[in-house]
Amino acid sequence: AQKITQTQPGMFVQEKEAVTLDCTYDTSDQSYGLFWYKQPSSGEMIFLIYQGSYDEQNATEGRYSLNFQKARKSANLVISASQLGDSAMYFCAMREGQNYGQNFVFGPGTRLSVLP
Amino acid sequence: GAGVSQSPSNKVTEKGKDVELRCDPISGHTALYWYRQRLGQGLEFLIYFQGNSAPDKSGLPSDRFSAERTGESVSTLTIQRTQQEDSAVYLCASSSNPGLPYEQYFGPGTRLTVT
Repeated sequence: AQKITQTQPGMFVQEKEAVTLDCTYDTSDQSYGLFWYKQPSSGEMIFLIYQGSYDEQNATEGRYSLNFQKARKSANLVISASQLGDSAMYFCAMREGQNYGQNFVFGPGTRLSVLP
Repeated sequence: GAGVSQSPSNKVTEKGKDVELRCDPISGHTALYWYRQRLGQGLEFLIYFQGNSAPDKSGLPSDRFSAERTGESVSTLTIQRTQQEDSAVYLCASSSNPGLPYEQYFGPGTRLTVT
């Protein structure tokens, strides 16, 4: 079974609008972390935002916020005031438990295109 | 400071040849990961090193793949007898330990093309 599901292969958004990228996850662990990474066409993976499973408040980092709904096991990324430079692949990832390694899994990604 | 570096940035090799990919993690980062990313797909975990502990090799797809790391420094990923399906971008990431959130810092990747 997929640990991380991103149901939107591609998304379009108008510049300056907000956009939500979906992510659902599957884990039986109580302790886990959720991450979003951005991968521009240049290929580097850029860490954007983190949400711990015990964090009571949604994480925010500048224009990025994570809409964490624990009961639904969803961790959607919200980008406000989209910019042309936001066009990229976006990956949701999860670290289960307190360990590294194979317990760090990535979703298939969503390609976001920001339109001028 | 310097980020994660990888070399070469591009590698074209003939089927059946061996290749060696190099990763230099961020200084002081004890955790190092290798991932494979096929065209248009997500990241596939290959192997993880944490300090002097035995590496987690559970993601290596076959015995043609191996990786080494010297202490907490450079790592090399070796692919023997390359096959066309090995064509992908190989990404290396490092992470500090301990301390949440354990986010990974990625290198620019090595694009491997097997002809």
